[in-house]
Order: sequence, then structure tokens, then C-alpha cells
Amino acid sequence: DGGITQSPKYLFRKEGQNVTLSCEQNLNHDAMYWYRQDPGQGLRLIYYSQIVNDFQKGDIAEGYSVSREKKESFPLTVTSAQKNPTAFYLCASSGNTGELFFGEGSRLTVL
Amino acid sequence: QKEVEQNSGPLSVPEGAIASLNCTYSDRGSQSFFWYRQYSGKSPELIMSIYSNGDKEDGRFTAQLNKASQYVSLLIRDSQPSDSATYLCAVNRGGYQKVTFGTGTKLQVIP
Repeated sequence: DGGITQSPKYLFRKEGQNVTLSCEQNLNHDAMYWYRQDPGQGLRLIYYSQIVNDFQKGDIAEGYSVSREKKESFPLTVTSAQKNPTAFYLCASSGNTGELFFGEGSRLTVL
Repeated sequence: QKEVEQNSGPLSVPEGAIASLNCTYSDRGSQSFFWYRQYSGKSPELIMSIYSNGDKEDGRFTAQLNKASQYVSLLIRDSQPSDSATYLCAVNRGGYQKVTFGTGTKLQVIP
């Protein structure tokens, strides 16, 4: 089935560790996005990519890094520089309509 | 001023009534407008897209767009308890541009 797969679904991290969240899509979409959602809040854009080998910072990029080496994949690394990384992370993709299709999300907790 | 503003609610309506959800946006260059539904602990799912002024109907849902007033709304007719969720308004400048979300309105449909 076509869709977006995020992994892991739950992740625990010790302070000072980097972690990488996986996002894979088989929808043949050109654009991919990473959002962060905190409890009771809306979605805030971390990074987005409109084409392979190119990406742009969103509103809260500090402490995060991404790569887009393949059309299907857009992994997000949460670095130790991110001061408050505990959140729900959502990956999405879109075609040229701008309609976003989301994965099931990854819930990161810092211990 | 926030780019996309929504009343956080909760908005409570009785079962069978019409629920009216509102959203304003600040970027006059916005071309595409979306409504997403998010159940607690889940990822958002697209329920409506609208690209031109006026109304767009899909089943029990009607999206309304007024670009001059920078206002977009979602009406849910014959509200059901299963409609209880947070509704997120989102906008972009079209195509593969970044998609900006409001903080969402929590809807409660009372049986």
C-alpha cells in the first residue's frame, strides 16, 4: 500500500545523545516535511525538502539536521544541541497540490 | 501576529448540530488552504482542500474561503460524536511551498 512510514514509533534518548528518526514514502511525492508537535499545540515546521539533494529550514530548525539523498527518504537527526527534544515528530509528503500526507509519527522522550 | 490563527476551543456542540470552525491567516500570498482532523495521539489526516473563493462541499463538510478577508472556515453538518477531534487549519503559497499550521480548535460533540 502507498503511504509514509516513520520509525521508530517510540524512542527514548539520554541527554547528550543524537538520535535519527526515519521517514520513507512510496507515494512518489517530490516534497517532504518534518514537523514537531508539543502537547496541546499545533504543528511547527522543522525542515522541508522540495527536491532531492535540497532542503530548507523551517521555523524551528535549530538543533536538528536532515538529508535528502533519495526521493523516498527524509531522515531527521535530533542533535544534542536541541534543548528540549521531547515531542511528537511528524513526517509528511506532498505532491504539487500542497496536500500533506502524514506518517503515524515518532514520539521522542528524553530521559 | 501569528501566520495562521484559530480559536483553541474547546468548541462544544450537541450531536446533530452544525459545528463551525474558523481560521484567519496573515500572508496575502497564500493560495492553498487545508483542513486536517487530528484525533488524540494520532497524526493529522486531510479532510478538505480549497483553492478559490467560495464554498466547497464534501459530504457533511463544507469549506468556505474569503481571500479578501483572509478567512477560511469549516462547517460540519449533522455533527457526530466521532467528529470529536482537533481540527487544524493550514495554508501555503501553492505547490511545494512550506505549509503553515494553526494551533487547532478542539471540537467536542456531545451525545
